[in-house]
Amino acid sequence: QSALTQPASVSGSPGQSITISCTGTSTDVGSYNLVSWYQQHPGKAPKLMIYEVTKRPSGVSNRFSGSKSGNTASLTISGLQTEDEADYYCCSYAGSSTFSLFGGGTKLTVL
Amino acid sequence: EVQLVESGGGLIQPGGSLRLSCAASGFTVSNNHMSWVRQAPGKGLEWVSVIYSGGSTDNADSVKGRFTISRDNSKNTLYLQMNSLRAEDAAVYYCARLEYTSFFNWGQGTLVTVSS
Repeated sequence: QSALTQPASVSGSPGQSITISCTGTSTDVGSYNLVSWYQQHPGKAPKLMIYEVTKRPSGVSNRFSGSKSGNTASLTISGLQTEDEADYYCCSYAGSSTFSLFGGGTKLTVL
Repeated sequence: EVQLVESGGGLIQPGGSLRLSCAASGFTVSNNHMSWVRQAPGKGLEWVSVIYSGGSTDNADSVKGRFTISRDNSKNTLYLQMNSLRAEDAAVYYCARLEYTSFFNWGQGTLVTVSS
């Protein structure tokens, strides 16, 4: 199975909102409400930001939200802050043949 | 507090073997699904292997037949045995604790370099 498709980069100004899309297929994103999103700063380990499409782990700001429509999931960050500048990866359960599929990652620049 | 500490990475020749370890604290490895995820230099994340709490395992097609995930309950430690290593296996390897299918906690990673 191929990786999920994300835009290579997005940008926004402090205080603005941005949305990162994650497109899969009917056998992964479209079939399961098991999409998660990870934030990764340079040289650091990934951090879970959203799980099961819309849920936020304890400690994650409510400025981060997730949604899904058909084969495409989305991560929205509102009230952009400079510390949000990082790489973001989506991930979906893909059934018994492939446990997890990641997207290629999106570099968020806060201008 | 959940903590995961990987070790065992290093420089290995193509065709060689390496065993990665992931020492866990703050939770019991055998009661959780655990996984390995890797990231080649400058590239994205790639799921590698999973061991379910019940003990069954699964691997990505790219490592099937070469990598084996296991755990030692007495040491609360996760392992990844990597055989027949190839240049394309070079990456930072992260261990992670899963909740259902989401990677909730991550280690700091260990670097594997495959080169002659």
